[in-house]
Formats: sequence, C-alpha cells, structure tokens
Amino acid sequence: EAGVTQFPSHSVIEKGQTVTLRCDPISGHDNLYWYRRVMGKEIKFLLHFVKESKQDESGMPNNRFLAERTGGTYSTLKVQPAELEDSGVYFCASSQDGRGTGELFFGEGSRLTVL
Amino acid sequence: LAKTTQPISMDSYEGQEVNITCSHNNIATNDYITWYQQFPSQGPRFIIQGYKTKVTNEVASLFIPADRKSSTLSLPRVSLSDTAVYYCLVGRTPNTGGFKTIFGAGTRLFVKA
Repeated sequence: EAGVTQFPSHSVIEKGQTVTLRCDPISGHDNLYWYRRVMGKEIKFLLHFVKESKQDESGMPNNRFLAERTGGTYSTLKVQPAELEDSGVYFCASSQDGRGTGELFFGEGSRLTVL
Repeated sequence: LAKTTQPISMDSYEGQEVNITCSHNNIATNDYITWYQQFPSQGPRFIIQGYKTKVTNEVASLFIPADRKSSTLSLPRVSLSDTAVYYCLVGRTPNTGGFKTIFGAGTRLFVKA
C-alpha cells in the first residue's frame, strides 16, 4: 500500500513568488492534515480536512495560505505571495475516519526555502 | 487541547532500556496518548497509543498511571537506529470527533555504541 506522498520534496523560490505543495493521502483516508515546522521551531498544526471539507483551519497563519482538497482526494497548499518566514518543512498526514486508533500517517515533507 | 512536557534530550547506550516520560496534567477524559518517532528528513512515524494502564506492541510499551497525568514510553534494548526525536501527543482520535494534534518540542534520544 502506498503511503502519504508529497510533492515537491524541496522547493526554492524568491520572496513574492507563489508555490503550491501537493499531498496525496493514503487511499481511503478521509482525514488529511497539514503541518509545518519552521526552522528551529516545533511542528505546528495548520489545518484538517475531512473529505473535501475543512474541519479545522485554526492553524493557518494568514490569508496568504490557501488549502484545498477538491473531490476529497489529494490536497494542495498554496502560499501566495511567499515571505521569508514561510521557509520550513511542510508535512501532510492522513488517517482513517470512524475506526482505527487515530494513527496519523505522515509524508516525508516538502521543504520550502524562500529567498 | 492538553499541553505536553517532555525532557529535551536523553542519551543511552545500545542494548539498554530507555524510558521517556511525558507530563500532560490537563488531559481530558476523551484524550488518548500517542507517541511518534521522527528521523531527520522524514515525517513522524506512529509508535504506540494508549488510553490507560499499559499497552505493548512489537517495538515499545506505554505505561499510563491511573490519573493519566503522565505517561512513559519504554523502548527495550535500544540500538543505534533508535536515535531520533520522540514526540508525546495528547488528543482525541478520529472516531470520537477529530484529532487535532499538538506536537511539543519532543525528546531527542541519542543512542551511543
């Protein structure tokens, strides 16, 4: 079974540009989460999808960040325009809904560097 | 959401048992305790989850006292490959309405030969 996949693994952009990160969750997982770790800081929750609906987006830092999950499958996280402080690693995770232990399956992360 | 407190780092030697304790004084009735392991350049990986008393799987044991205000992850006979950051998380599971996790700073375990 394929795990959570994220693309790109590393992106380098200039301040003011736009970047879109993609996450493909494990097939059948209704829950999809985005997290990020900014340099030297803790892993912070960004938002949570249940299928295509945003269940909780309280962790989104500002309106430069837009997450979508059309059709309830893969998700994208767009940063527009990117700022220097957006640099970090963005993790996606998925989990089953309604059963299981609540285990989150994480991707390997997308490293974003804003110059 | 319950906040967790863990030691920042721990050192151990190969073959030893390692116990990492996490404090979560304001854990809620519906909260589960989950531990994750993270290697550099990878996403966190689930180790074990429990609600009370003791849980054991093929890689670790989790001890939770009756008041549930703390928990201890026990790694038997660690090896060099167990060097990683270990996170203790407290939160509800999806089957009870959602699981918003808060990662603390984690415990950096360094296993020496």
